[in-house]
Amino acid sequence: GEDVEQSLFLSVREGDSSVINCTYTDSSSTYLYWYKQEPGAGLQLLTYIFSNMDMKQDQRLTVLLNKKDKHLSLRIADTQTGDSAIYFCAERAGANNLFFGTGTRLTVIP
Amino acid sequence: SAVISQKPSRDICQRGTSLTIQCQVDSQVTMMFWYRQQPGQSLTLIATANQGSEATYESGFVIDKFPISRPNLTFSTLTVSNMSPEDSSIYLCSVERGSGSNEQFFGPGTRLTVL
Repeated sequence: GEDVEQSLFLSVREGDSSVINCTYTDSSSTYLYWYKQEPGAGLQLLTYIFSNMDMKQDQRLTVLLNKKDKHLSLRIADTQTGDSAIYFCAERAGANNLFFGTGTRLTVIP
Repeated sequence: SAVISQKPSRDICQRGTSLTIQCQVDSQVTMMFWYRQQPGQSLTLIATANQGSEATYESGFVIDKFPISRPNLTFSTLTVSNMSPEDSSIYLCSVERGSGSNEQFFGPGTRLTVL
């Protein structure tokens, strides 16, 4: 079955770049997603990438996909305290539902 | 994006009782889903809510425990039946518009605590 892994914690200083990594096992994944969850809130869709793309950039966010290694990353440039949250990667593999990673808690140090 | 609301936002319930959670979307959507997020964990899909027919449940989830309704394209309910403390979780609904859209949007979630 699908297995999506992330490191649990990441701390960065305000103004630095954050890189959150994700690995997945299903080679038939069609789309891969990044969601942000702030304390007590639902999930906010940040961005997603089609599996035949290597990179997608959206303002401060850059998504890199290495399909051969089944590795996805999210880079946040100029990280701000408001970026502190849990970040989930998710993959879609055929069906409509998504399989989520364990989540990475990003802490931004002022 | 879609504007999704859930009721209640949170509840504290007694063991053995049932709670029905509502999910309302501001526009018609093709797909609606229900997820569970147990404390400190990731999201797990419970079922796909099908309009006009029975929901499609994922492995480990059954209709008797989590009955789902979807009477139209903007509304769905999830009932957590005969609750136990292990059912304490955040329950989230999500939607996709369909027609080639690959974006899945989530509601704010319902935080359930079972005593």
